[in-house]
Amino acid sequence: EPEVTQTPSHQVTQMGQEVILRCVPISNHLYFYWYRQILGQKVEFLVSFYNNEISEKSEIFDDQFSVERPDGSNFTLKIRSTKLEDSAMYFCASGQENNSPLHFGNGTRLTVT
Amino acid sequence: KQEVTQIPAALSVPEGENLVLNCSFTDSAIYNLQWFRQDPGKGLTSLLLIQSSQREQTSGRLNASLDKSSGRSTLYIAASQPGDSATYLCAVRSFTGSARQLTFGSGTQLTVLP
Repeated sequence: EPEVTQTPSHQVTQMGQEVILRCVPISNHLYFYWYRQILGQKVEFLVSFYNNEISEKSEIFDDQFSVERPDGSNFTLKIRSTKLEDSAMYFCASGQENNSPLHFGNGTRLTVT
Repeated sequence: KQEVTQIPAALSVPEGENLVLNCSFTDSAIYNLQWFRQDPGKGLTSLLLIQSSQREQTSGRLNASLDKSSGRSTLYIAASQPGDSATYLCAVRSFTGSARQLTFGSGTQLTVLP
């Protein structure tokens, strides 16, 4: 069964550094998302992406964050100037249509020290 | 703003028992509701999706129901097994605000004892 893949599984970075989290969505899916889960808290929406542009973003998704689909398969989340509070599990998800089930990857655990 | 609540926060049952997990949401104007399973340190595995026009969905030993008017969904697990131990998350996709994002509950941590 096709799946969403994320790399790396764990990323450790120093405060102030930039990180890029990578995702390969399911190939025939058109809608792409990033969510995050801070330890012990709810999964929360960051951004959705469709037709090569951001379709919606949450209050969390400020100028520190950006997303890109650089080619036909990858979907990336860039976090600039990381802060301690950016430490979380970041999940990529994709869906075939706007109302379809979302399929999530296994996540990237980001630790900012 | 949509709020999703899951009760109980944790549940421990002996193997073989049938059990029900509860999910409630504040705004009944939803597109759909999705149940996920999350294993420790892992991603989210989609279990069932119920569209707003549906009352229930079944997959194997799992049955999810939806009562949109009362803002409730249940996940029924029949003949529980130790391998069912995980956190179960409920998430709704709403009309209000955006239809493109899911709002998650805090989850129910299930432990099935052998």
